[in-house]
Amino acid sequence: DQQVKQNSPSLSVQEGRISILNCDYTNSMFDYFLWYKKYPAEGPTFLISISSIKDKNEDGRFTVFLNKSAKHLSLHIVPSQPGDSAVYFCAASAAGTYKYIFGTGTRLKVLA
Amino acid sequence: NAGVMQNPRHLVRRRGQEARLRCSPMKGHSHVYWYRQLPEEGLKFMVYLQKENIIDESGMPKERFSAEFPKEGPSILRIQQVVRGDSAAYFCASSPPDRVNTDTQYFGPGTRLTVL
Repeated sequence: DQQVKQNSPSLSVQEGRISILNCDYTNSMFDYFLWYKKYPAEGPTFLISISSIKDKNEDGRFTVFLNKSAKHLSLHIVPSQPGDSAVYFCAASAAGTYKYIFGTGTRLKVLA
Repeated sequence: NAGVMQNPRHLVRRRGQEARLRCSPMKGHSHVYWYRQLPEEGLKFMVYLQKENIIDESGMPKERFSAEFPKEGPSILRIQQVVRGDSAAYFCASSPPDRVNTDTQYFGPGTRLTVL
């Protein structure tokens, strides 16, 4: 049972445009959500997180939006840069637990 | 401030051998987590440890896998009698000692295990 889903395995975007990566979850107990970026042969790098008491968190070019009623979160990257090309994972955890449940990832390619 | 360190980065074992994967958390972190990533999949939680304690091993296979985080030294993930299906990337993460589930986990570079 995949509790965190990233339904788009890949996404291509032109440099300078907006990249929107989506993530859906099924467990209403999740209250903390994160996005990680991963390059080949490296570990995931933390990008941005959001608690369920918020609906938006922004850090530079990265913004995460949370829609609790739809059980949906998205990561916006504006403007997209070629160095953003990587696999992006969303992850979630529930209060009282410390393990992250990861989606299967979306491979973002930013075209110069 | 050094990040999470894992070694070896690559490990090749023949079926039936033992694999030992090491993880040193970030300085000041006392919580360690192990995740496994199979090809084309996301990371799957295996175990969460604090010094000398296993807190949650719900993702760990019941047989052949064990983990420890001794008072001194790195955390060790041990896989006995490896099989081809154990081939994967194993990632370790660490977080600060405050025990809040909103503490971000920071990941190491991973150990890529190949079982021949």
